[in-house]
Amino acid sequence: KQEVTQIPAALSVPEGENLVLNCSFTDSAIYNLQWFRQDPGKGLTSLLLIQSSQREQTSGRLNASLDKSSGRSTLYIAASQPGDSATYLCAVKIQGAQKLVFGQGTRLTINP
Amino acid sequence: DAGITQSPRHKVTETGTPVTLRCHQTENHRYMYWYRQDPGHGLRLIHYSYGVKDTDKGEVSDGYSVSRSKTEDFLLTLESATSSQTSVYFCAISESADSVSSGANVLTFGAGSRLTVL
Repeated sequence: KQEVTQIPAALSVPEGENLVLNCSFTDSAIYNLQWFRQDPGKGLTSLLLIQSSQREQTSGRLNASLDKSSGRSTLYIAASQPGDSATYLCAVKIQGAQKLVFGQGTRLTINP
Repeated sequence: DAGITQSPRHKVTETGTPVTLRCHQTENHRYMYWYRQDPGHGLRLIHYSYGVKDTDKGEVSDGYSVSRSKTEDFLLTLESATSSQTSVYFCAISESADSVSSGANVLTFGAGSRLTVL
């Protein structure tokens, strides 16, 4: 059974720092991995999607990497801003199945 | 959220009553999903649809049924609501599920429907 873990559950850093969020999964037979952002009381917004054949994806100040063999993905946020404060979730799509398996998220707070 | 709306956004009901949540999309995407989000459990798939009248169960489908009579609408029904079904329900859509084009596999979520069963 695929399990997705995100550690730490919460992270607080000062504005301007570069930071890394971690996501690990137990079964390397994934089709893709997505990173989402969720603001309080809101739905999820897709940030980046990495296909299993890719190693990384970039969008603005965000860079996501994927290492299937080690079962890990990281989301790198450069020059963090208070507006980056949110919960970040990763989710893996299992090969041959429709569902995404979600991690429980990392609640990020950027302090001005 | 552009292209996908959920209704109602908030509902309080009593145990044993039927409840229907509606998801409406304007993107003409093939795939539609219902998830629930609970503290300590994260997001879990209830049911999904891969076309009109084509639906399948997710990991927590007991007590829920779905229907999709039109591409744009996906209904989630709780036939007899229980307190354990108190949750935030999210609808999501995607153009594809296994496309080689990564953009087609991106999941877009609605704003959520908060359901309280007393």
